[in-house]
This record gives sequence, C-alpha cells and structure tokens, in this order.
Amino acid sequence: DAKTTQPNSMESNEEEPVHLPCNHSTISGTDYIHWYRQLPSQGPEYVIHGLTSNVNNRMASLAIAEDRKSSTLILHRATLRDAAVYYCISRHAGGTSYGKLTFGQGTILTVHP
Amino acid sequence: DTAVSQTPKYLVTQMGNDKSIKCEQNLGHDTMYWYKQDSKKFLKIMFSYNNKELIINETVPNRFSPKSPDKAHLNLHINSLELGDSAVYFCASSLGVRGGRGGNEQFFGPGTRLTVL
Repeated sequence: DAKTTQPNSMESNEEEPVHLPCNHSTISGTDYIHWYRQLPSQGPEYVIHGLTSNVNNRMASLAIAEDRKSSTLILHRATLRDAAVYYCISRHAGGTSYGKLTFGQGTILTVHP
Repeated sequence: DTAVSQTPKYLVTQMGNDKSIKCEQNLGHDTMYWYKQDSKKFLKIMFSYNNKELIINETVPNRFSPKSPDKAHLNLHINSLELGDSAVYFCASSLGVRGGRGGNEQFFGPGTRLTVL
C-alpha cells in the first residue's frame, strides 16, 4: 500500500465546507483511496473510497487528481459532529493484502461553532 | 442493534495475567479483524480472519492468540500481559476480503481499553 501524507490538523467553522487534502504520490494503478474517520472515543468509521473518478455519497465527496497522486475529501457543510481524525488510506485491491487497512496519523479536524 | 460489539469495554489487569476480549458482529460478514491503537493514537492491524481462517498475522507476539469459533465471532486472548500491551483494541468486520471495487468497507466496534498495571 502506498504511503499517504496528510496535514496534522485543520480547522473549520460550522456550516462551512471543508477540504481535507491527502498526498499519495507513490500510488499504483490498482490502489484505491479510502477515507475513514474516528470520532472521539469511538472506533473508525468508513467515509468514502474511489479509484479514479470523483465520488459522492451522503457523507462526503472525494475528488481525485487526474494523476492520482493526491485527493481531497470534501465535507460540504461541516457540523460539530464532524470533528474527528480523518484518515486517508491507499489500499491495494487484491493480492495478498487481504483488505488490510494501513492507517497513518490522519488529520485532526476541529469545527468551531 | 449494535453491528460490531466488543466485551468488555474496559479491562484493567496486572502484568503477567491472561485475559480475553470478545468480538461479535451481526452483519453477516465473513471477514473479521483486530486492530491495536496505542497511546500515540496509531492504529495498526494485528490479525484478520476470513471464514474462520487466519489470513493476516502482522508480526504480533505469540502471546496474542485470536480464535474464531464461527464467522460472527473473533476473540482475542492475551497471555502474560505486559505494560506495553496497554492500548485500545478494535474489532472490525467486512463482507468479503478483496471485493470488486477496491475492497469492502470495514465496520469497527467501539473498542476495548486495556490497561496493564
């Protein structure tokens, strides 16, 4: 799985959009980009994942650069409940990785009222 | 309706003791995982079972022995507990191992905070 780099922390105001960046310059063609988040005192929670095309779901959007060396998780309107650690994970599909998630240090998102 | 549950939520014990953490999922998944989150908040996979068969073992000491009696359960037994075993342990599950679209979403339990004194 390719290494990912994220800012240690970011801040946002409630009801404003948040763009969380992630660099994965060594990503291979078969690596998917997954995002999970961990709210305080809880287990990680799946947010979204994609390969090449931008993806949307009810929680967020994922914008993937054309060269796939970076991606951005977009929270369209941050709420206080979105305050969490966000993990960007490059995950190899198939092979011997068997679905393993390799977590980095993540980005601590603080949302101000 | 808890999807992935773990017991106990907190576990405080003395060095050298043997303890177990239980995990159950009611999602009908066939793959389960154990992760460890240390005091610096790094999350690292320890084990994974697919259909009761061990498929991932990430250089974890032999003192840790996972057991999967059936697809819905993955328990973690730890022998001769050490101070460094203090951490939060998370169980997770997913449907399938590889998946057709980059692997399947993993559902995590609430965690078990283990403190070794």
